[in-house]
Amino acid sequence: AQSVTQPDIHITVSEGASLELRCNYSYGATPYLFWYVQSPGQGLQLLLKYFSGDTLVQGIKGFEAEFKRSQSSFNLRKPSVHWSDAAEYFCAVGDKKAAGNKLTFGGGTRVLVKP
Amino acid sequence: DTEVTQTPKHLVMGMTNKKSLKCEQHMGHRAMYWYKQKAKKPPELMFVYSYEKLSINESVPSRFSPECPNSSLLNLHLHALQPEDSALYLCASSQERGAQASTDTQYFGPGTRLTVL
Repeated sequence: AQSVTQPDIHITVSEGASLELRCNYSYGATPYLFWYVQSPGQGLQLLLKYFSGDTLVQGIKGFEAEFKRSQSSFNLRKPSVHWSDAAEYFCAVGDKKAAGNKLTFGGGTRVLVKP
Repeated sequence: DTEVTQTPKHLVMGMTNKKSLKCEQHMGHRAMYWYKQKAKKPPELMFVYSYEKLSINESVPSRFSPECPNSSLLNLHLHALQPEDSALYLCASSQERGAQASTDTQYFGPGTRLTVL
């Protein structure tokens, strides 16, 4: 069965500093990978996704992620963090089951931004 | 328009009450989902509807009863809930592209914060 691990539960970063969130996956076939962000009390917003092709994927809000098959990783990065980036970030892998796209989420990483 | 709406935003109910959560999308998506999210945890899939038919039930207790009246609407009927059912309930939708569905993006609503007393 597929699984997603986000090793860092919390990350604190200063505003303007760079940010990297780790994601490792376990999946038997070609993984379809997603990063979502969730602000407190809100739904999830898609930041970016990877299906195939270029392993460096650009997303919204200045985020990018790099797929590394050899390391089973899909790490999210942002060069310069803004206070509004404080949120919970979820990595997920998609899997076609009986219907729809069943997402398996990692445990999430909470990002705190210091002024 | 990539919006999924959910009503109500907040709901407080007693264990003997019957209530419903509503979800709506107008993106022409044919797959719709209910998730439950406890504090500081990732969303857990509850149900998946595909073309208005229930396709996946992740062993959810029968006190949760989903309904998909048409391709734009998804309801979750609640009855005799327990305090441990208190959570954020998220609705999502995606295209339903059959064999390619693993690449379909799910669009999430803002959720309904449910408190069971």
